[in-house]
Amino acid sequence: AQSVSQHNHHVILSEAASLELGCNYSYGGTVNLFWYVQYPGQHLQLLLKYFSGDPLVKGIKGFEAEFIKSKFSFNLRKPSVQWSDTAEYFCAVNAFTGKLIFGQGTTLQVKP
Amino acid sequence: NAGVTQTPKFQVLKTGQSMTLQCAQDMNHEYMSWYRQDPGMGLRLIHYSVGAGITDQGEVPNGYNVSRSTTEDFPLRLLSAAPSQTSVYFCASSSTGFSNQPQHFGDGTRLSIL
Repeated sequence: AQSVSQHNHHVILSEAASLELGCNYSYGGTVNLFWYVQYPGQHLQLLLKYFSGDPLVKGIKGFEAEFIKSKFSFNLRKPSVQWSDTAEYFCAVNAFTGKLIFGQGTTLQVKP
Repeated sequence: NAGVTQTPKFQVLKTGQSMTLQCAQDMNHEYMSWYRQDPGMGLRLIHYSVGAGITDQGEVPNGYNVSRSTTEDFPLRLLSAAPSQTSVYFCASSSTGFSNQPQHFGDGTRLSIL
């Protein structure tokens, strides 16, 4: 069965610091990968997605993620975070099973 | 445009009561799904549907029933509520069941079972 693991459960950064959130999945075949964000009191929104092609994908609000197939990883990055990036971030994987499986989530707190 | 609409937004139930959480989408999406969100556990898939008349189980289906009689609606039923079902429930939809389609989420239903 596919599973997703996010290593960082709670991250605290100061504004302008760089961000990297780890995501690993366990599935040996072709996968589609997503990062979603949930701002306080809101529903989940899509940040970015990877299906094929260039393993470095860019999303909204300056976020990007790199797919490294050999490491089964899809880490999220942002060079300089802002206070408005405070939110919960979820990595998700769909391995052509009809099921989108989420990681446990990472809470990001950005201090002004 | 409404997108994915969930009702109610909040609900308190007593153990053993039954309830239906409503989900409707107006985007003519084929694929719909239900998740529950619990602290430290992310979102876990309860049930999903790839089209009207077709449903299947997700990661945590026990205690929940679904049906999909129309493209627009995908209600989630709790037949006999238990405290372990206290959670925030999200409904989501996507245009097709293909795995590369992003999900559109509703605003959630916060459910407490006493």
